[in-house]
Amino acid sequence: NAGVMQNPRHLVRRRGQEARLRCSPMKGHSHVYWYRQLPEEGLKFMVYLQKENIIDESGMPKERFSAEFPKEGPSILRIQQVVRGDSAAYFCASSPTQNNYGYTFGSGTRLTVV
Amino acid sequence: TQLLEQSPQFLSIQEGENLTVYCNSSSVFSSLQWYRQEPGEGPVLLVTVVTGGEVKKLKRLTFQFGDARKDSSLHITAAQPGDTGLYLCAGEGNAGNMLTFGGGTRLMVKP
Repeated sequence: NAGVMQNPRHLVRRRGQEARLRCSPMKGHSHVYWYRQLPEEGLKFMVYLQKENIIDESGMPKERFSAEFPKEGPSILRIQQVVRGDSAAYFCASSPTQNNYGYTFGSGTRLTVV
Repeated sequence: TQLLEQSPQFLSIQEGENLTVYCNSSSVFSSLQWYRQEPGEGPVLLVTVVTGGEVKKLKRLTFQFGDARKDSSLHITAAQPGDTGLYLCAGEGNAGNMLTFGGGTRLMVKP
């Protein structure tokens, strides 16, 4: 039983480049959530998606950030024109239903912008 | 905006001691979840409490949800070095869309 798979585990980008973070939820899970953990800070909600739908993106920065969860394939968090402040650990979580009372998190992608 | 305040931020104790971590909010949550996070890894769910006043035990760990569903505590009895890690509380709102995380408690248990 594979858990939530995130890749890459580590990603280094120069300022101005694009970063693509991928998340494959657990088998049977159709709800995906992205969280960001800045250095020395707690996890902050970014976006909640179901297949082909963005349900809640209230935590997403208005510019440069986008997310999708296509019918086939993993969920993608895309950051355009990265800046140093985007350096953080990005975690994906999945659940089989809404209000599941417990989420399975991936190991995260650590983005470093140089 | 829902906020969760977790205390203490850091805790360093000797093996065998007891400790309690607190998670407080002015908001009501539909559930309160506790996670443990190891360096370089994602949070791992320990327990979910749903009902006001609920108490759950996981070996030496005891979790309690406040009667008003605004606060929670984690009590560890006879701590061991293997308990060392970052403990996070997280509240789920009624919409079930997201978790609001506390700032975390970094626990170190010295042998």
